[in-house]
Amino acid sequence: KQEVTQIPAALSVPEGENLVLNCSFTDSAIYNLQWFRQDPGKGLTSLLLIQSSQREQTSGRLNASLDKSSGRSTLYIAASQPGDSATYLCAVNKGSYIPTFGRGTSLIVHP
Amino acid sequence: NAGVMQNPRHLVRRRGQEARLRCSPMKGHSHVYWYRQLPEEGLKFMVYLQKENIIDESGMPKERFSAEFPKEGPSILRIQQVVRGDSAAYFCASSPEAREVRTEAFFGQGTRLTVV
Repeated sequence: KQEVTQIPAALSVPEGENLVLNCSFTDSAIYNLQWFRQDPGKGLTSLLLIQSSQREQTSGRLNASLDKSSGRSTLYIAASQPGDSATYLCAVNKGSYIPTFGRGTSLIVHP
Repeated sequence: NAGVMQNPRHLVRRRGQEARLRCSPMKGHSHVYWYRQLPEEGLKFMVYLQKENIIDESGMPKERFSAEFPKEGPSILRIQQVVRGDSAAYFCASSPEAREVRTEAFFGQGTRLTVV
């Protein structure tokens, strides 16, 4: 059974810091890994999708890396802003179209 | 192309009533997944459906919960005789035709069910 762990569970930082959010998974036989953002009381917004054959994906200030063999992914947020405050979720897809989610990292960026 | 549409956004039910949650997938998507997010917990998979078929319901409670995805119309998650422990956010996701598994899932805004 695939298990996804996200560390840290919560993070509070001042504006401007560069951040690293971690995601690990127990079964490395995945097709892809997806990072989401969830704002309080809202739905999920897809941030980045990394295929199993890829090492990283970038979108603006976000960079996600994938080391499939070790079962790890990191989401790097450069020059954090208060608007980045949200919960960040990692989900892995083992190929049955059923992503398995971690419990998320709750991020607060204060001015 | 509208995203995944869920309604209602908020639903309040008294204990013992029925809750019906609707999900319209993105245009061209024939796979629907339902997830439940309990307070302070992650998203837990409930059920995976294709048109007129339940593919995987391993995450669905054995009693009171059912799901369908008819040939026409939205997918419905139905909870009978709701209890307070059913209070949660229920999310629906959809993905395209199953020829390529390397596609991302798109999520709706969720339905927040409160049982009073």
